[in-house]
Amino acid sequence: DTAVSQTPKYLVTQMGNDKSIKCEQNLGHDTMYWYKQDSKKFLKIMFSYNNKELIINETVPNRFSPKSPDKAHLNLHINSLELGDSAVYFCASSQSRTGNTGELFFGEGSRLTVL
Amino acid sequence: GENVEQHPSTLSVQEGDSAVIKCTYSDSASNYFPWYKQELGKGPQLIIDIRSNVGEKKDQRIAVTLNKTAKHFSLHITETQPEDSAVYFCAANQVDSSYKLIFGSGTRLLVRP
Repeated sequence: DTAVSQTPKYLVTQMGNDKSIKCEQNLGHDTMYWYKQDSKKFLKIMFSYNNKELIINETVPNRFSPKSPDKAHLNLHINSLELGDSAVYFCASSQSRTGNTGELFFGEGSRLTVL
Repeated sequence: GENVEQHPSTLSVQEGDSAVIKCTYSDSASNYFPWYKQELGKGPQLIIDIRSNVGEKKDQRIAVTLNKTAKHFSLHITETQPEDSAVYFCAANQVDSSYKLIFGSGTRLLVRP
């Protein structure tokens, strides 16, 4: 059973389109994250939710909107896609809101390619 | 905020040799330093972590050392094996209400058979 699962694994789309990536965790964790990994492998946090409450909201374009319907799910919706949005997006979860002092469990990533 | 620098960016070693990856951090308040391994096509996975109240931690062939005075920490892999080939990330926590973990830029380790 996959602990943190993301769909889709690959996404190829045209500039200007809107797309969503879904994430689910079955670990019973309270906190979930979205990270972006660019072509140089640099990992940067975008958002974090604790029990459906937004607790980290990095400086990302407002075209990116996270949604957490419940604490086991965190989705990422991206409007008006741009070439620079091409990256691998990772969902992660941790046991408590202080995810920066304990293990992060990552999904396998969703590779987004914008043409 | 916290800034983490990692080097080298790539490292190639012969199977059986040791590998060392080094990181420095900027915020002396940071107190948690994990290391993640990312295999091709997978998400990062925690391999070892260290907290600021200890100077060294070992787990079989991997060890991490922490020098709080110099604000640097290192990952040591001994008796490397081809399956150790991956990208390794160090990280440090940002000690404020943001709860952020700041990652280094990654080291691609290649273990040659």
